[in-house]
Amino acid sequence: SYVLTQPPSVSVAPGQTARIPCGGNNIGRKTVHWYQQKPGQAPALVVYDDSDRPSGIPERFSGSNSGNTATLTISSVEAGDEADYYCQLWDSSNDHWVFGGGTKLSVL
Amino acid sequence: EVQLVESGGGLVQPGGSLRLSCAASGFTFSSYWMTWVRQAPGKGLEWVANINQDGSEKYYVDSVKGRFTISRDNAKNSVYLQMNSLRVEDTAVYYCARVRGGRSPYDDAFNIWGQGTMVTVSS
Repeated sequence: SYVLTQPPSVSVAPGQTARIPCGGNNIGRKTVHWYQQKPGQAPALVVYDDSDRPSGIPERFSGSNSGNTATLTISSVEAGDEADYYCQLWDSSNDHWVFGGGTKLSVL
Repeated sequence: EVQLVESGGGLVQPGGSLRLSCAASGFTFSSYWMTWVRQAPGKGLEWVANINQDGSEKYYVDSVKGRFTISRDNAKNSVYLQMNSLRVEDTAVYYCARVRGGRSPYDDAFNIWGQGTMVTVSS
């Protein structure tokens, strides 16, 4: 089965840029989505199809995907961006949908 | 307003059964794939099952195959998860979500989520 690897935590100062990686074998050949989950809340989609943003998501959120790593980038980080972030894709080899383990973003 | 509302969670003994429901509103339910995703306490997200628009395609994570059944009733704008032979490790918040509806339902994102319903399996 396909495995997505995320670091457990990432820390960044307010106003700086946070980069959250999601590793997988040839992940650049797949389509990756990203979700934000704040404490006590349901997940919310922040980036889909590698780099597109749903309506209402700030331009500060962007995504890229190449080689063995997909990356969620959050520029000009704000305190309100503190959350868990999950990458996700479809594993066509067995028709399973897979989530990464999640990364906790802390704003120092 | 586009909305998903789950119900049916609760406390059940190991080996027991539970049926979760998810009521949709604010969009043409019959046009979308739907999914169930769960989250054990303090853990990450885990995809559980998907179902296509007319219920003819269903997919399950290996750990629930043969025990859980996803279904839908388009007349009632609802999707269900029948959970049998429940195990302690099935304890989680269960979310239903809508597949976005892009070019392909398989590698598409889950763009609308419910608030979740808690299932606790314990003796």
